[in-house]
Amino acid sequence: AQTVTQSQPEMSVQEAETVTLSCTYDTSESDYYLFWYKQPPSRQMILVIRQEAYKQQNATENRFSVNFQKAAKSFSLKISDSQLGDAAMYFCAYRNNFGNEKLTFGTGTRLTIIP
Amino acid sequence: IAGITQAPTSQILAAGRRMTLRCTQDMRHNAMYWYRQDLGLGLRLIHYSNTAGTTGKGEVPDGYSVSRANTDDFPLTLASAVPSQTSVYFCASSGYPTDTQYFGPGTRLTVL
Repeated sequence: AQTVTQSQPEMSVQEAETVTLSCTYDTSESDYYLFWYKQPPSRQMILVIRQEAYKQQNATENRFSVNFQKAAKSFSLKISDSQLGDAAMYFCAYRNNFGNEKLTFGTGTRLTIIP
Repeated sequence: IAGITQAPTSQILAAGRRMTLRCTQDMRHNAMYWYRQDLGLGLRLIHYSNTAGTTGKGEVPDGYSVSRANTDDFPLTLASAVPSQTSVYFCASSGYPTDTQYFGPGTRLTVL
């Protein structure tokens, strides 16, 4: 079974600075997807970024980028120029590219932005 | 386009009562999912449906049932609620071409 580990329960960063959230996963599959979701206090789960395992290039979405290290099974999220609106829980998630396509989530990292 | 809606937003329920959480999507996604979110445990899959007329069990299915009579609706039923089912419940859906899962706003359920 796949597992996803987020070893940082809480992180904080000064506004306008850069922060990196860590995620590692365990799988025997070679074809899969990885995601970062953001959950602000509103409770809504919002997709931040998605990475296909077969792509060597790291995904980027504006101020959000990932460092995908397939051999190390590591998938960290970098947030540049942090803004107050980035304060939220961040969840890393894994999905196989077959079967029922369920998401396996990590336990989350709570990110605080310091004004 | 509303995306995914869930009802109710929150509910307090007496133990032993029956409860159905509703989920509707308007994106014509084939697959739908129910997750529960508990503090310190992230989200865990309860049941899923790859297409209308089919359902499957996830990681924590006991005490829950689902049906998928059509593409848009995927209700989750607690036949006899217990306090351990106190949680926040999220419905999600995914479809071609990205298969990325999109989530509803969640239902906070408290069983006393």
